[in-house]
Amino acid sequence: GENVEQHPSTLSVQEGDSAVIKCTYSDSASNYFPWYKQELGKGPQLIIDIRSNVGEKKDQRIAVTLNKTAKHFSLHITETQPEDSAVYFCAASSGDSSYKLIFGSGTRLLVRP
Amino acid sequence: GAVVSQHPSRVICKSGTSVKIECRSLDFQATTMFWYRQFPKQSLMLMATSNEGSKATYEQGVEKDKFLINHASLTLSTLTVTSAHPEDSSFYICSARGGGRVNGYTFGSGTRLTVV
Repeated sequence: GENVEQHPSTLSVQEGDSAVIKCTYSDSASNYFPWYKQELGKGPQLIIDIRSNVGEKKDQRIAVTLNKTAKHFSLHITETQPEDSAVYFCAASSGDSSYKLIFGSGTRLLVRP
Repeated sequence: GAVVSQHPSRVICKSGTSVKIECRSLDFQATTMFWYRQFPKQSLMLMATSNEGSKATYEQGVEKDKFLINHASLTLSTLTVTSAHPEDSSFYICSARGGGRVNGYTFGSGTRLTVV
């Protein structure tokens, strides 16, 4: 089955700097890769997603890149703000018809004011 | 946009009792619902997948007789934790797929279960 690895587990950046979180997946048939932000005690919130027929997608300060050959995808946050501090999860859809989402282990991002 | 309402948000129950958690898709039909469990400072672990009108498919290691899932309609799925024990204390989250968005998944706000 699908396996998703995520790095780093924690990331501390200065306000205004960029943050990059990387994930790799194992199932070459996976075709959907969302990123979620989770604040304490809440459910995950989708912040950006990308499909396998696209290499890059951007939404204001957030961008995601996908390398299908290498089976890895990355989240880029520019001009970070303290309110970006949260836990971020990548996920990959399973390549079969179950449509399961398999999550990475999470990255705790701290943006220092 | 698509909204999934999950209730209750918090529940405390005594060991040996059962607890039901509900997830409703408010403005779309959820053809598939997923249930996750999340322990503190850990990732979301998929427990089971349910399709409307059929039996849930459980992930390896998840006891189907302990975690009863019912997906009786396209807008409602329930998870019942039977004979709860302290080790079942966790954050349970549902996710619904559907709503006309290709590859769209909408998550509920989660339920914090504490078994005492």
